[in-house]
Amino acid sequence: DTGVSQDPRHKITKRGQNVTFRCDPISEHNRLYWYRQTLGQGPEFLTYFQNEAQLEKSRLLSDRFSAERPKGSFSTLEIQRTEQGDSAMYLCASSLGWGELEKLFFGSGTQLSVL
Amino acid sequence: KNEVEQSPQNLTAQEGEFITINCSYSVGISALHWLQQHPGGGIVSLFMLSSGKKKHGRLIATINIQEKHSSLHITASHPRDSAVYICAATTSGSARQLTFGSGTQLTVLP
Repeated sequence: DTGVSQDPRHKITKRGQNVTFRCDPISEHNRLYWYRQTLGQGPEFLTYFQNEAQLEKSRLLSDRFSAERPKGSFSTLEIQRTEQGDSAMYLCASSLGWGELEKLFFGSGTQLSVL
Repeated sequence: KNEVEQSPQNLTAQEGEFITINCSYSVGISALHWLQQHPGGGIVSLFMLSSGKKKHGRLIATINIQEKHSSLHITASHPRDSAVYICAATTSGSARQLTFGSGTQLTVLP
């Protein structure tokens, strides 16, 4: 257990439905990241928060995706009008520190299946 | 061509063998991470380094900035080391964006 928790662990949905995932980082960590991983590939960066501010978004993040971290603690990732191509593992990570002192802690991920 | 490439993709070893996983990158980086991913998705950060060498138990990570290459070594390998090992680069000029390699699936047989 890394201390980063994600909910739910698995989500099955029908195409066109909206889904929301939650990530609870380690409490004192100010940075929070969302990644997406498809089978056999390494994770791909989606977005990054420092405290409550969303500082970077990948071009992979279409308008159907939105992420929030309202009080600089937990974060949510919402996908609207899901498509089959959205099926993937969605990973959250948090960190503290700077430069070589930064160490990432990942959650176990939310596995999304869009039917 | 991916910006971060790992080799080999799959590696099978006998318990006790010395293991090396390689990572090459084509972009300027500020740091390189080695991560371990077990079945079920949990990812653990093993090392983050920007120069030289780091050691933790039986694991050693090295990086050569000039050659844009990093290696992860496992000494006296054990079946519990079986996992996917991923290298990821924090690219220069991008605040916190990590570019991941596709991973090396390591299987250590008893």
